[in-house]
Amino acid sequence: SQKIEQNSEALNIQEGKTATLTCNYTNYSPAYLQWYRQDPGRGPVFLLLIRENEKEKRKERLKVTFDTTLKQSLFHITASQPADSATYLCALALYGSSNTGKLIFGQGTTLQVKP
Amino acid sequence: KAGVTQTPRYLIKTRGQQVTLSCSPISGHRSVSWYQQTPGQGLQFLFEYFSETQRNKGNFPGRFSGRQFSNSRSEMNVSTLELGDSALYLCASSQGAGGTHTDTQYFGPGTRLTVL
Repeated sequence: SQKIEQNSEALNIQEGKTATLTCNYTNYSPAYLQWYRQDPGRGPVFLLLIRENEKEKRKERLKVTFDTTLKQSLFHITASQPADSATYLCALALYGSSNTGKLIFGQGTTLQVKP
Repeated sequence: KAGVTQTPRYLIKTRGQQVTLSCSPISGHRSVSWYQQTPGQGLQFLFEYFSETQRNKGNFPGRFSGRQFSNSRSEMNVSTLELGDSALYLCASSQGAGGTHTDTQYFGPGTRLTVL
């Protein structure tokens, strides 16, 4: 069956450390993968997109890797801050006209950065 | 550019009623997708509209419907509300011109629907 799983529901780290979140998928062949941040009661905010032929993408303190052999993406936040505390969602976009406009989301990982 | 806007932000209805939610996409975006978010099921795709046509539909009953207008604004309607329809309803806009897969989607703040 097709699944997309994020490593854990919650991750607690100390300020200044690197947070690493995992997204694994099964039986999908994604065109690309996106990461979103969601704060309570608000809509997801787009952070980064990585395509199937890309290994790594960076944006400021954020880094995403994508391994289509392992079927896994890792999302890193370096020098984490309490303001980074939120739920982080990974989402797959698939090829094909039957998948147009549709993202498949993981359940999310809630990150808590303690001062 | 202004972001995606959704109205109303909060809504309380009773079982059996119907509801209409509205979404205005980012200027220039022609695709609008709708999602339902619940604690148990997470974010689930409802449907997508592009140039006033529904291009894709998720696995939801026929009580859930939508439409898109010529200015790309979209509405979704839920008829005969059930308790289980209580959720955060999110719309997302994208340029949508690809047609073969999904562009980057930008989400609105959502409408929180509570069914009593």
